[in-house]
Amino acid sequence: GQQLNQSPQSMFIQEGEDVSMNCTSSSIFNTWLWYKQDPGEGPVLLIALYKAGELTSNGRLTAQFGITRKDSFLNISASIPSDVGIYFCAGQLETDGLTFGKGTHLIIQP
Amino acid sequence: SAVISQKPSRDICQRGTSLTIQCQVDSQVTMMFWYRQQPGQSLTLIATANQGSEATYESGFVIDKFPISRPNLTFSTLTVSNMSPEDSSIYLCSGSRISVGTQYFGPGTRLTVL
Repeated sequence: GQQLNQSPQSMFIQEGEDVSMNCTSSSIFNTWLWYKQDPGEGPVLLIALYKAGELTSNGRLTAQFGITRKDSFLNISASIPSDVGIYFCAGQLETDGLTFGKGTHLIIQP
Repeated sequence: SAVISQKPSRDICQRGTSLTIQCQVDSQVTMMFWYRQQPGQSLTLIATANQGSEATYESGFVIDKFPISRPNLTFSTLTVSNMSPEDSSIYLCSGSRISVGTQYFGPGTRLTVL
């Protein structure tokens, strides 16, 4: 089956720093999604990408759908304490369910 | 977006028993899915809940263990049958208004099997 490699596994950064994480796949996806999950909660959708090469922003978040359809990155600018959590990439091929990456744990030191 | 609720939010069950988890969406959705998230892990798709027909299961998941119902466009249930401690996980449902793309998740049901 399809596998997503998400990196880094965890990040320890200072408040105000920029953050970058990415996902790569062994096969193509037609849709890339980025989610954030807080403890005890379900994943919350941050950004959805539908076209190869697409660059989309949502506030301080920016994500891109790789031109090869096999990768995507998420950037967070000027991190703040509430950005702490686990970030997941997810890919969808057709009308099926999502394949998730293993997650990036973001820890922010004030 | 779609607002999704799940019942129960958590439960502690005995080995060999079954638990049915309910998923309710605040508006009609085209697609509904069930996922499992084991402690400290990522989400794994269990099955697609199809309205009016049998669910479509992913490799490693079978109907006898995880029977699913979807009687209409806003509601689905997942039953975890004959539970063992290995079934201790968070079970999440998701919904999507369109066939491709954006899925919204419920808060999850945290299951502990003793």
